[in-house]
Amino acid sequence: GAVVSQHPSRVICKSGTSVKIECRSLDFQATTMFWYRQFPKQSLMLMATSNEGSKATYEQGVEKDKFLINHASLTLSTLTVTSAHPEDSSFYICSARTDGPLFFGSGTQLSVL
Amino acid sequence: GNSVTQMEGPVTLSEEAFLTINCTYTATGYPSLFWYVQYPGEGLQLLLKATKADDKGSNKGFEATYRKETTSFHLEKGSVQVSDSAVYFCALGGRGNEKLTFGTGTRLTIIP
Repeated sequence: GAVVSQHPSRVICKSGTSVKIECRSLDFQATTMFWYRQFPKQSLMLMATSNEGSKATYEQGVEKDKFLINHASLTLSTLTVTSAHPEDSSFYICSARTDGPLFFGSGTQLSVL
Repeated sequence: GNSVTQMEGPVTLSEEAFLTINCTYTATGYPSLFWYVQYPGEGLQLLLKATKADDKGSNKGFEATYRKETTSFHLEKGSVQVSDSAVYFCALGGRGNEKLTFGTGTRLTIIP
């Protein structure tokens, strides 16, 4: 099946720094990518939907200036957590699709000290 | 709004045991229901789905039936194997499975 590569799998950073997470579709062109996050013992929650070449659509309660999403090509979307704080520590996961089923990355565990 | 309530884990079973992971949902309209599985170090993969009431999704020995009257989509397998050890997510969404609403995930460990 199609593969979505997400990198890094784990990152630890200091409070106030920015972290970039990459999501690549390796063998298909992803017109739409989704970004989710999961806090401990909570559901995987959709943060935003991005379509190639246009601005991302953020879910209610997600700060677009803090979580910058760029979907500049059909195979790459990036999520940048700006000025990260300990409360941003979470599991972030991307998914990608064209017209068919969703394919997911393996996730990124972000820990902000 | 939509929500999914999933059995909390972790769940530990012996090989060949019977598995049930409960999932109930709240939704407007007639959503499709999904079970995703995440093996260690990999992305979530679609395990099975059902698109309307009374449909049964099945794959790799796993089954789940879309029960509208009880708003449930419980995952079952008659005899689990060590290779079934993974995290299982229940989800609901549209037919195109865009904008999925997920449960919390249930970590399953099967011991030989």
